[in-house]
Amino acid sequence: DTEVTQTPKHLVMGMTNKKSLKCEQHMGHRAMYWYKQKAKKPPELMFVYSYEKLSINESVPSRFSPECPNSSLLNLHLHALQPEDSALYLCASSQTGTGNEKLFFGSGTQLSVL
Amino acid sequence: GQQLNQSPQSMFIQEGEDVSMNCTSSSIFNTWLWYKQDPGEGPVLLIALYKAGELTSNGRLTAQFGITRKDSFLNISASIPSDVGIYFCAGQLPSNTGKLIFGQGTTLQVKP
Repeated sequence: DTEVTQTPKHLVMGMTNKKSLKCEQHMGHRAMYWYKQKAKKPPELMFVYSYEKLSINESVPSRFSPECPNSSLLNLHLHALQPEDSALYLCASSQTGTGNEKLFFGSGTQLSVL
Repeated sequence: GQQLNQSPQSMFIQEGEDVSMNCTSSSIFNTWLWYKQDPGEGPVLLIALYKAGELTSNGRLTAQFGITRKDSFLNISASIPSDVGIYFCAGQLPSNTGKLIFGQGTTLQVKP
């Protein structure tokens, strides 16, 4: 099983809303990632958690707040987003987050900010 | 930052034809990954390469890790309509993180 599950599949929110994206994996992986992807562009890394600790933050604005409650779960809390934040948000996982390993992606949350 | 140059940007081919795409970089990578992405879905891992010179197949797909560790190619033989999608290469730098550097993608269209 190489499945990474993301919910919701689609999300529409206003600029004053607070919402959360959720991601779950049961492969025993200890690293989880958030990527942002605009149409017809490659995914861009936002955050990396390795062994439940934030190891990489790619200078992401504070309106995006990640959380890793345990090694199987990853959340992305959204607050006061802008229309330009509309994108496909992808979660991924890998064995340790220390390199030389496969990353498995979920199917993404398509976010629209109005 | 580091960049991967992926080419071609797009391809429109006849069903049954073979396809080749490649990625090059000025940086050395420890790992190369090839993904396929359908519209509105996440990237699906096709092939992973870990050693310079490594040649790996997955059905009709074949990928190689370049000897210089700065390039990789993906071949698709006897293309079929379901091969349509965007193909991304991604490399991992020797920096002990899981961070991937992605190519810009190759959009493949197959005419039945």
